[in-house]
Amino acid sequence: GAVVSQHPSRVICKSGTSVKIECRSLDFQATTMFWYRQFPKQSLMLMATSNEGSKATYEQGVEKDKFLINHASLTLSTLTVTSAHPEDSSFYICSASPGQTINSPLHFGNGTRLTVT
Amino acid sequence: QKEVEQNSGPLSVPEGAIASLNCTYSDRGSQSFFWYRQYSGKSPELIMSIYSNGDKEDGRFTAQLNKASQYVSLLIRDSQPSDSATYLCAVRRAGSYQLTFGKGTKLSVIP
Repeated sequence: GAVVSQHPSRVICKSGTSVKIECRSLDFQATTMFWYRQFPKQSLMLMATSNEGSKATYEQGVEKDKFLINHASLTLSTLTVTSAHPEDSSFYICSASPGQTINSPLHFGNGTRLTVT
Repeated sequence: QKEVEQNSGPLSVPEGAIASLNCTYSDRGSQSFFWYRQYSGKSPELIMSIYSNGDKEDGRFTAQLNKASQYVSLLIRDSQPSDSATYLCAVRRAGSYQLTFGKGTKLSVIP
């Protein structure tokens, strides 16, 4: 149980274009999903918290107009990287928890490797 | 001061040995602790969680928590080459669903 699906797994795009990444909870409902970014040999850095039916909460230093998050249903959150630039190239990973308690672990999608040329 | 600290390694152990991975955290209000394994180029996968002081065992893995010392560890018994990966310590503060991750310790099990 607790499967999180992320698509696409890999995307290459040209500078200036936009890329949409989907994150789905397959066997549970998730009112909250988290988007992380990981640069090579770095730790996971939380970008934003996606809340179903309301605005996402962005971490300090993350541009909300550049990284658009939509959480329109209890099983789907999307991250759109707008006007992508080479410095946005990274590994983007979503996560969610089937439980709502402090002890509920996060389960991660398989990640999306974005390369902006 | 970093919130969650781990020795980056690499930690090399021979096959069959015990691997010991350590993590310290700064927030005394932290309540939940998790160990994830991340293979190169892959996303993290949950290995264990621990919430109370003491030891928690699951197969070859044992998590240890000492809240007074703000210390959590992961022991891997009978280490296998397939255990070679980066191990991430994650901490959750009270009142939050977010996880804060350490930078991870790279483990290499030598056949």
